Amino acid sequence: NAGVMQNPRHLVRRRGQEARLRCSPMKGHSHVYWYRQLPEEGLKFMVYLQKENIIDESGMPKERFSAEFPKEGPSILRIQQVVRGDSAAYFCASSLGTGGMSIYIQYFGAGTRLSVL
Amino acid sequence: SQQGEEDPQALSIQEGENATMNCSYKTSINNLQWYRQNSGRGLVHLILIRSNEREKHSGRLRVTLDTSKKSSSLLITASRAADTASYFCAMTTDSWGKLQFGAGTQVVVTP
Repeated sequence: NAGVMQNPRHLVRRRGQEARLRCSPMKGHSHVYWYRQLPEEGLKFMVYLQKENIIDESGMPKERFSAEFPKEGPSILRIQQVVRGDSAAYFCASSLGTGGMSIYIQYFGAGTRLSVL
Repeated sequence: SQQGEEDPQALSIQEGENATMNCSYKTSINNLQWYRQNSGRGLVHLILIRSNEREKHSGRLRVTLDTSKKSSSLLITASRAADTASYFCAMTTDSWGKLQFGAGTQVVVTP
């Protein structure tokens, strides 16, 4: 009964490199959300995806960031040409997507902590 | 800017005492949730209150919602050391379910 799985837990990149963050939602969940958390702050919404579709990317920076949730496999958050300001914890959450209030309850992974040197 | 603001930013209490934290928000909401985050971990859902509800209980948790004041409170009764964590309110304003978080309240419960 695995929960939301994120990997890696920690990722170190040098400026200009690419970062790939993976998220496998809970079994049976078809809705995935990505959030970013800076130290001592709350989480900020980035993007909401369903299988093969980006539903809402209003929180994603326009450049260097992209996300996908393919038919098979985990959701991927990709950051190209990372800069120091990208250092943060990135959390993935999933929800059931149907059935009344259950669509609003999200289950979070443990996060990926990205450090850009 | 954040949708929600929480007060206080930090709270230190002794075991057995009650902990109360407040959340104010800016726009109309569909529902409001409270989540807990232990240090270095992901968030855990605690309770959801709909916009047409005023109060909800779950175990030692009590949540109130005042939509006229755009505010909510979370009360933890008879606190335990294991309640030490950061607590976040999160609002849903659309049908997609994306959450807009407050900055959180850090609660420390000392034995």
